[in-house]
Amino acid sequence: GAGVSQTPSNKVTEKGKYVELRCDPISGHTALYWYRQSLGQGPEFLIYFQGTGAADDSGLPNDRFFAVRPEGSVSTLKIQRTERGDSAVYLCASSISGRAGDTQYFGPGTRLTVL
Amino acid sequence: GNSVTQMEGPVTLSEEAFLTINCTYTATGYPSLFWYVQYPGEGLQLLLKATKADDKGSNKGFEATYRKETTSFHLEKGSVQVSDSAVYFCALNRDSSYKLIFGSGTRLLVRP
Repeated sequence: GAGVSQTPSNKVTEKGKYVELRCDPISGHTALYWYRQSLGQGPEFLIYFQGTGAADDSGLPNDRFFAVRPEGSVSTLKIQRTERGDSAVYLCASSISGRAGDTQYFGPGTRLTVL
Repeated sequence: GNSVTQMEGPVTLSEEAFLTINCTYTATGYPSLFWYVQYPGEGLQLLLKATKADDKGSNKGFEATYRKETTSFHLEKGSVQVSDSAVYFCALNRDSSYKLIFGSGTRLLVRP
């Protein structure tokens, strides 16, 4: 496919469980971003990858959140000991280079519900 | 800090009406400005962008002009259609930064 894909589209889990959310960026895009969108709000930045390395993880809310991109393509966002406040739509985006002004292309998101 | 403020919705219009959605920003330096749109059941899509002052972004009949003197990037369309019903997000990223900072979104509902 030509666009950014994310799996699963929906994830329901219980408080305290571990979850993994996957993102497949557009082929050839070196920059990958994760955002979180709460109901009625705009997306908020979580983490940015340039290639395999996390260039900026300043948006991760606490150490329960972690993300990897081991081969510079697919990325996984991992959340440990989930809390009800983690419920949100998690968005992944990619861009060709990561420069300011580059267009970021978004995936459809994963809706996470923590019961 | 850097921020984006959008007019609250929902905005309800009749088909063929004129649309304005206000967006103002606070940022240091010379940010790039964006409008993204989220149609029901779909992901965020870039609608238009402008990377320097006085630039006009346009797409699908929508326009927005980067006004540095008023720190604004208002979205306009001369004649809306039912298919334009969606949530519209204004966003910026500062020069030398890749993070997008979004407003809270404005829902547009166009009635036939």
